[in-house]
Amino acid sequence: AQSVTQLGSHVSVSEGALVLLRCNYSSSVPPYLFWYVQYPNQGLQLLLKYTSAATLVKGINGFEAEFKKSETSFHLTKPSAHMSDAAEYFCAVTRGGGGSEKLVFGKGTKLTVNP
Amino acid sequence: SQTIHQWPATLVQPVGSPLSLECTVEGTSNPNLYWYRQAAGRGLQLLFYSVGIGQISSEVPQNLSASRPQDRQFILSSKKLLLSDSGFYLCAWSVRQGPQHFGDGTRLSIL
Repeated sequence: AQSVTQLGSHVSVSEGALVLLRCNYSSSVPPYLFWYVQYPNQGLQLLLKYTSAATLVKGINGFEAEFKKSETSFHLTKPSAHMSDAAEYFCAVTRGGGGSEKLVFGKGTKLTVNP
Repeated sequence: SQTIHQWPATLVQPVGSPLSLECTVEGTSNPNLYWYRQAAGRGLQLLFYSVGIGQISSEVPQNLSASRPQDRQFILSSKKLLLSDSGFYLCAWSVRQGPQHFGDGTRLSIL
């Protein structure tokens, strides 16, 4: 079975500061990993995905994430936070290479950006 | 390009009334389709998913049902709503192992 743990349900940063949102996964097979962002009263938007190619994945809005197999982590980072980054972020995992079509989501991390 | 439409955006229903939420996808064929519920302060709960017309898998026992009458149409229904059915309902689609793409959601309030 697969699972995702997002450390910190709330993260607060100052505008211009580094954003680091943590995600650890558990999977018995090589995983595919995703980060999504959700703005209030909207659906989820895909930020980036890891599908067993490059371990450092660049996404939209200046975000990137690094797949670290040894640490079973897929942390999301952005060098400089912007006010518009305030939202909830979800990490998700699925089986890579075929099999289940389902995603397992973490519980989300709400990011606050202070001026 | 592919688009997903979900409606209505908001809905207020009395307890015991029926429900029908609709989701349609354009620009792709034979997508996988998903219904999620997001309760206040909680993560996403997968309710149903479908890999083809008439093929529905239910993830949790509940008061809801889903149907897929056409390739790109996914409907979430209930015969009698409960207070606990309140939440934000999201439809999503994907192809094979690709990422899921979400609609804008329906905010359902039960009175």
